[in-house]
Amino acid sequence: KQEVTQIPAALSVPEGENLVLNCSFTDSAIYNLQWFRQDPGKGLTSLLLIQSSQREQTSGRLNASLDKSSGRSTLYIAASQPGDSATYLCAVYPDSWGKLQFGAGTQVVVTP
Amino acid sequence: DVKVTQSSRYLVKRTGEKVFLECVQDMDHENMFWYRQDPGLGLRLIYFSYDVKMKEKGDIPEGYSVSREKKERFSLILESASTNQTSMYLCASSLVFATSTSVQPQHFGDGTRLSIL
Repeated sequence: KQEVTQIPAALSVPEGENLVLNCSFTDSAIYNLQWFRQDPGKGLTSLLLIQSSQREQTSGRLNASLDKSSGRSTLYIAASQPGDSATYLCAVYPDSWGKLQFGAGTQVVVTP
Repeated sequence: DVKVTQSSRYLVKRTGEKVFLECVQDMDHENMFWYRQDPGLGLRLIYFSYDVKMKEKGDIPEGYSVSREKKERFSLILESASTNQTSMYLCASSLVFATSTSVQPQHFGDGTRLSIL
């Protein structure tokens, strides 16, 4: 059974530093990988979607890489801002049904 | 833009009650999903449906059932609510089309925070 792990569980950085969030998965046979952001008490906001044939995706200050063979993805957030404070969730699509398997998330605090 | 609407943001019910959580999507998506989210555990799949009247169990179906009478609506039912079902519930939908290397992304509602007293 696919397992998704996010380390660390929590992270605190000063404003302006680059953020590096890690995600690993046990079965490399995935379809897509998706990064989400969740603010306290709110739903999920999709940040980046990487198809299994892709190595990375970029959107503004965000860049996500995917290495299927090693079962890893990394989300980079450049020049962090206090507004980046949130929980970041990594999820994989393990089969053609389109279901998602989530990691437990990394809680990020960016201090002014 | 895809819109997935969950009928309640907050809900308080009592143990033993039958509870209905409703989800509606407006993009003619075939797939619909129910997840629950608990601190430290992330989101876990309860049930999903790939067509009207079709359903499949997810990872944690015990204590729940679902109903999909119309394509746009997917209901999660707690037959007899218990305190351990206090949680955040999220609904999602997606198109069913898939290739050999990619599936369609899911779109999420804002969630229902359910408290069972």
